[in-house]
Amino acid sequence: DQQVKQNSPSLSVQEGRISILNCDYTNSMFDYFLWYKKYPAEGPTFLISISSIKDKNEDGRFTVFLNKSAKHLSLHIVPSQPGDSAVYFCAARRRTSYDKVIFGPGTSLSVIP
Amino acid sequence: GAVVSQHPSWVICKSGTSVKIECRSLDFQATTMFWYRQFPKQSLMLMATSNEGSKATYEQGVEKDKFLINHASLTLSTLTVTSAHPEDSSFYICSARDLVLTFGNGTRLTVT
Repeated sequence: DQQVKQNSPSLSVQEGRISILNCDYTNSMFDYFLWYKKYPAEGPTFLISISSIKDKNEDGRFTVFLNKSAKHLSLHIVPSQPGDSAVYFCAARRRTSYDKVIFGPGTSLSVIP
Repeated sequence: GAVVSQHPSWVICKSGTSVKIECRSLDFQATTMFWYRQFPKQSLMLMATSNEGSKATYEQGVEKDKFLINHASLTLSTLTVTSAHPEDSSFYICSARDLVLTFGNGTRLTVT
């Protein structure tokens, strides 16, 4: 049973527009959520995170929103740039397992110049 | 920032042979490292947690005799795929935690 879901395997966005990547989770014990970016043949790179006590965290062009009641989070990238083209993994951590991060299947984002 | 180095980045081996993959934390000590496996177009699946000076903790369904993990120092963990078969072909990634989980660049294993 997949505890972290990313229902869109791919997304295409025009350069300069907003990219919205969605993520849903099923385990109510998750208390910390992360987004990782991954280029082909490389390991994932940490992008941004959010604690369950917040509903929004912003870092430059990247903003993550958390809706706990809906068990849903989203990553907004604005404005999107061609260099943002990568696979984005949503990940979640359980309250009792600090380092044991559960990953979603990823969404491949293509930003078209 | 924290750097995790993984070696080799790719390896091709024949069926039945063993392959060792190294994971090093370059500028921090990591008592715990993690090994993941990624199949094409699928998520990163945690295989095992590597603990310095003690036995690794394997996730359900992962054969510990197949995937040998050694964490002999605070900066090095190794994953050995023993008697590799074509179905072991995959992308293996390690991670360690400094302030956040930091990943190596992965190892592409192809078993022929």
